[in-house]
Amino acid sequence: AQTVTQSQPEMSVQEAETVTLSCTYDTSESDYYLFWYKQPPSRQMILVIRQEAYKQQNATENRFSVNFQKAAKSFSLKISDSQLGDAAMYFCAYRSKGAQKLVFGQGTRLTINP
Amino acid sequence: SAVISQKPSRDICQRGTSLTIQCQVDSQVTMMFWYRQQPGQSLTLIATANQGSEATYESGFVIDKFPISRPNLTFSTLTVSNMSPEDSSIYPCSVTQGRDPNYGYTFGSGTRLTVV
Repeated sequence: AQTVTQSQPEMSVQEAETVTLSCTYDTSESDYYLFWYKQPPSRQMILVIRQEAYKQQNATENRFSVNFQKAAKSFSLKISDSQLGDAAMYFCAYRSKGAQKLVFGQGTRLTINP
Repeated sequence: SAVISQKPSRDICQRGTSLTIQCQVDSQVTMMFWYRQQPGQSLTLIATANQGSEATYESGFVIDKFPISRPNLTFSTLTVSNMSPEDSSIYPCSVTQGRDPNYGYTFGSGTRLTVV
C-alpha cells in the first residue's frame, strides 16, 4: 500500500520569506498523481498544486511550486513571498492513476510570523 | 469546481446514538467520497459512494457502523451509528474537481462531531 510521510509537524517562516515543506512517499507504481492541499482554520481542504508523475517539469502555481524528485520519491512544496493568509495545515496527498482514493500525509502546520 | 454544502456543520451527541450527515453538491457528480479526520490527524477515506450501487468501504470501515446513501447524483448521506467518544472527528465529503479526477478533489468544510 502507498504511504505518504511529512516529516515536519510544524514549520514557521517570516512574512515575505520563502519556506519549503517536505513530503516523501512510498509506491511501486510508475504513474500516479501528487497533490498539496491547504487546510485553513475554516477546515475546508483547498487544492494548492498538483503534479503528474509522468511529467518531469515541476508544477508551479503563482507563489507555489514543487520540487518533484521521482527517483527519490520526494515531492516538496515551496512557498515564495509568504503571506499571512498562507498560515494553515498543509497536506501532501498521493493518488494512483487507476484509483480514486487519496492517501494523505500527516500534515505540516505552517505559521507565518509578521 | 463544484461547491459542496454539508449539514450539520457541527454537533454534540450522546454515546450510543446515531447521527446522519448530509452532503449536497451544486452539480452532478459520479462519485462522492466520505472521509474522517480524527483530532490532530490526517484524512482517511471511509467509503466511496456511487449513485445506484452499494458504497465501497475501505479497510477498517464497515457498513453497519457507517451506512451511506446516495439517492441521486448531487446528494449523499453518511450515518455514524452507535457512537462512542472515539468517533469524535471531522467528517468531510469530497467530489472530483471537474470532470477529470486527475485534477484533484473538492472538499466540503466537514461536520465536526463530538461524542460525549
